Order: sequence, then structure tokens, then C-alpha cells
Amino acid sequence: QVQLQESGPGLVKPSQTLSLTCTVSGGSLISDNYYWTWIRQHPGRGLEWIGYIFNGGYTSYNPSLKSRVSISVDTSKNQFSLHLTSVTAADTAVYYCAREPVVWGQGTLVTVSS
Amino acid sequence: EIVLTQSPGTLSLSPGERATLSCRASQSVSRSFLAWYQQKPGQAPRLLIFGASSRATGIPDRFSGSGSGTDFTLTISRLEPEDFAVYYCHQYDNSPRTFGQGTKVEIK
Repeated sequence: QVQLQESGPGLVKPSQTLSLTCTVSGGSLISDNYYWTWIRQHPGRGLEWIGYIFNGGYTSYNPSLKSRVSISVDTSKNQFSLHLTSVTAADTAVYYCAREPVVWGQGTLVTVSS
Repeated sequence: EIVLTQSPGTLSLSPGERATLSCRASQSVSRSFLAWYQQKPGQAPRLLIFGASSRATGIPDRFSGSGSGTDFTLTISRLEPEDFAVYYCHQYDNSPRTFGQGTKVEIK
């Protein structure tokens, strides 16, 4: 059974880069043809799709974040990562990784503050 | 971008009652790649329905999904105390993927 676990700093300073990793267990990022996805949820708000990586390299991003976001894969560690540059307080949110649409991680809160 | 509009925003019902939640898409969701999630405070969303009408593993049969094209419905046949939560629809047909704004089902 596939499980996902997010990891990364819980506090990031404004203007810096937010970097999170999702570790996949019970399945392979490469052998399985799935959309490996990042989603976030601002405090008390709804869900916002950030983007996905598919088939090891094809990516698609939310147009509202496209200039600042990248998703990559490390096949040796069976992990995929999110990088969001030039963060502001508006990027404070719970960040989820998911294997669309079924399996989600538990989420990790990232706060942007000096 | 496919905009998903959920209605109502809040549904006030009593345990045992039937809940009907609507999700309307701004354009057709082909292949019925529409999912429903339940979220409780402090928890990650839980998949209930995928492919518009297929129940996810372990989901009770009081939850059912229906619809196609631009109109989708989540029905909870008889509300149990643990069903009071926020529900989101999500289309994974087109990029960018999108979510509805959510429907809160609260105890009347």
C-alpha cells in the first residue's frame, strides 16, 4: 500500500525558497504511471493545486504560481520535491503531497515569517 | 481552467437525514475524472469518490457519487455523527487541476 510523507522546514524567511520533499513508500515513482502532486491549504481556507510531475519528468503547474514553482524527482531515493521561490506570508499553508487522486500525505505546515 | 462551483456553501442537517451536495463545472469534465473528498479539522482530505461514482476503498456505501459532464452530486444517504465535515470536489481531467470551494455539512 502506497504511503506518502512530507518533510522539510516548518519555518521559512520571506524572500527565501521553500523546499519540501515527499517520500514514497510501498510503490515506485518511476514504474507507476501516476501524477505526483503538490497541493496546499491556507489556514482556514480551501485546497489549492500547486502542480504535478508525471512519468519522471513532465510537469504542470498552477498558472498563479508558475513563475516561482518547480517540482522534481529523485528516483534513487523514491522522492519528489517542491521548490517555491521568493516566498511571502501569503505562502503560509499546510502543504500536501499526493498521488493523484487517491493517496495523500498527512500534510506539513510551513510558516513564512522573519 | 475548469472552475468548480459547489453548492450550498453550508448544509445544516440532523443525523439520519439525507445530504445532497452539488458540484458544477464551468466546462465538461471528460472521462468523469471528478473526485470528492471529506476533510475534518486538523486532518488531511480523505478520498470518498473517484471517477465521479466509484467509492474509494473502505468508504461506507451511504456515500454515493453521480453525474457527468458539468454536473456532479455527492449524496450521503443517512448522516452519521462522523459525517459532519467539509466536502470538496476536485477535477483531475484537465490542467490546471482545480478544487471546488467546499461545502460544510454541519449539525442542525
